[in-house]
Amino acid sequence: ELKVEQNPLFLSMQEGKNYTIYCNYSTTSDRLYWYRQDPGKSLESLFVLLSNGAVKQEGRLMASLDTKARLSTLHITAAVHDLSATYFCAVNPDSNYQLIWGAGTKLIIKP
Amino acid sequence: DAGVTQSPTHLIKTRGQQVTLRCSPKSGHDTVSWYQQALGQGPQFIFQYYEEEERQRGNFPDRFSGHQFPNYSSELNVNALLLGDSALYLCASSLDRGSYEQYFGPGTRLTVT
Repeated sequence: ELKVEQNPLFLSMQEGKNYTIYCNYSTTSDRLYWYRQDPGKSLESLFVLLSNGAVKQEGRLMASLDTKARLSTLHITAAVHDLSATYFCAVNPDSNYQLIWGAGTKLIIKP
Repeated sequence: DAGVTQSPTHLIKTRGQQVTLRCSPKSGHDTVSWYQQALGQGPQFIFQYYEEEERQRGNFPDRFSGHQFPNYSSELNVNALLLGDSALYLCASSLDRGSYEQYFGPGTRLTVT
């Protein structure tokens, strides 16, 4: 069964702190995606990771991919309130067209 | 550059009715995927259309059907609506090559009463 597991599912943190969201998946894949979703809104693409060891950074967010461990991380540095949202990882399994999604991590950053 | 558009934004239907949702892909994209997102959950893949054919289907019943037109726009049809079909329906477009990154539309919020 194709599974994508995120943890934690809920994270409340103070501004200025660092934290990491983990995404484990059960299938072979070289393509992993991170999306952000604000309440009642659609999905905004954050990162596309296409190979083992890929690392991408945008502002206070950095994502990495380890295809051997089937693990991706989304690291938040010095969090600010504007980063409050739900973050999803999604995997595109080999020989497959769909995205398999994690349950999402709801991130609340308190000023 | 127009992004992915969907219509309508919101829809309220009664059990047993039928509904059609519409999607126009991002300019230059040729592939459309549909997802269902229940409240508090991750999206679930319904199906993907490419070259006017359903290329892959997720674990959804035949009540869910779709179509892709020559201009790459797409429709999602749901027959015999159930209360459990209430969800946000998201359309995503992509190119059939490269990173397969999917760009999402604003979604259609369907409520079945």
